[in-house]
Amino acid sequence: DSGVTQTPKHLITATGQRVTLRCSPRSGDLSVYWYQQSLDQGLQFLIHYYNGEERAKGNILERFSAQQFPDLHSELNLSSLELGDSALYFCASSVDWEWGAGELFFGEGSRLTVL
Amino acid sequence: EDQVTQSPEALRLQEGESSSLNCSYTVSGLRGLFWYRQDPGKGPEFLFTLYSAGEEKEKERLKATLTKKESFLHITAPKPEDSATYLCAVKYVGNSGYSTLTFGKGTMLLVSP
Repeated sequence: DSGVTQTPKHLITATGQRVTLRCSPRSGDLSVYWYQQSLDQGLQFLIHYYNGEERAKGNILERFSAQQFPDLHSELNLSSLELGDSALYFCASSVDWEWGAGELFFGEGSRLTVL
Repeated sequence: EDQVTQSPEALRLQEGESSSLNCSYTVSGLRGLFWYRQDPGKGPEFLFTLYSAGEEKEKERLKATLTKKESFLHITAPKPEDSATYLCAVKYVGNSGYSTLTFGKGTMLLVSP
């Protein structure tokens, strides 16, 4: 158990809909990272928050947004969903803002299926 | 253009048959190379950090090495429980000036008894 909690574990929705994925980092960790994992693209970095502030953006679509709240939990919002958004979405955390020296703690992911 | 390339994509070994996985990278200003293990339906789990060419790290049957352009994950006398996808990641400073951790697509290892 990494200590990172993600909900929901599975989500099935239709094209055009909007969903919210939730992540609670390990106790004491200030950074939250979101990744998307698909079979053909592997793990793709989406966005990084540190102590409530956006730190870095990766390949995140404009239809996607995220935030980190004062209690350090984070939410990833995906809107106007398309079939290609079907993937595993992982949240990871680290204690610092420098990617924990490479040691990220990952949750078990949220599997999104868009029909 | 992929910045982190892992090979092979998949590898099947017999129990006890040693082999190596490769991770090559093209980023400049490397701040570290990391290996993770991912079991089906789970999140990646951290294994090793390597910072400079010539560095080696070991954990049970796994040994990771680093050169200037690639890293190897050597698996000695593997067991079925070593079956997993092994991910390589590199940390570097991107155009934004912030550090980024970029993953390769992984090598899926299957060890048969």
